[in-house]
Amino acid sequence: GAVVSQHPSWVICKSGTSVKIECRSLDFQATTMFWYRQFPKQSLMLMATSNEGSKATYEQGVEKDKFLINHASLTLSTLTVTSAHPEDSSFYICSARDASGGRTGELFFGEGSRLTVL
Amino acid sequence: SQELEQSPQSLIVQEGKNLTINCTSSKTLYGLYWYKQKYGEGLIFLMMLQKGGEEKSHEKITAKLDEKKQQSSLHITASQPSHAGIYLCGAQLTGTASKLTFGTGTRLQVTL
Repeated sequence: GAVVSQHPSWVICKSGTSVKIECRSLDFQATTMFWYRQFPKQSLMLMATSNEGSKATYEQGVEKDKFLINHASLTLSTLTVTSAHPEDSSFYICSARDASGGRTGELFFGEGSRLTVL
Repeated sequence: SQELEQSPQSLIVQEGKNLTINCTSSKTLYGLYWYKQKYGEGLIFLMMLQKGGEEKSHEKITAKLDEKKQQSSLHITASQPSHAGIYLCGAQLTGTASKLTFGTGTRLQVTL
C-alpha cells in the first residue's frame, strides 16, 4: 500500500541550531502535504499546508519564519525548524494524499519525527 | 474550546469485552477519519466516513457517522491486547480536502 516516510525518526540538537525533517510519499505523488505537531499526551495540531511549487499556508499562531516548509517535488516536502529552542521539542508528523485519487479518501501519515532540543 | 471532542479520554477494558469511543464535532463534518496511534509513533489509518448514516467495518472494528448529530462512534467487538493504543478521530471541517482537525484522543488499554 501507499507509504509516507519521514526522516529522521529521532533527532537531538542543541539550542539555536536548525533541523530539517523530510516527508516523502514513496509510491504516489502528492501535490499537497500537511505538517502536524503533537506534544506529549496531546492530539495532533495542524501547523501548515505544504503546496508543491508554491508557498506553504500556515495555521494561525505558527511562525512561518521559524518553521520553513519547502515542497520542491511531488514526492518530497521538508520542514526546517530554524534556531530551535527547547519549547520546539515535539513529535512532528506529515500527511499526504494520493494526487491521482487512486486510493479515494485515504489520507496517509508518516511515522513521525521526534525532535528534542537541548 | 475544542472543535472535536472524544470520549472517553481513556479506557481500560478486559480482553474479550466490547467498547465504544465517541467523537463529536462542533461543526459540520465533511469527512471523518479514524486512526490508531501507539505513543510516539505514526498514525495507522482505520476508516473514513463521509456520508450521513454511513457505517464501515474492518475485522472487529466498526465505525459509524451520524451526520445529524455531527458525531461518529468507533466500536470494537471482543477486544484483544492488540487493540491497545491511542485512537484519534480526525475531521474534515472545511471544504479543503485532506486538512484535518484532530480530536483529543482516547487511550485504550486491554487487560488480560
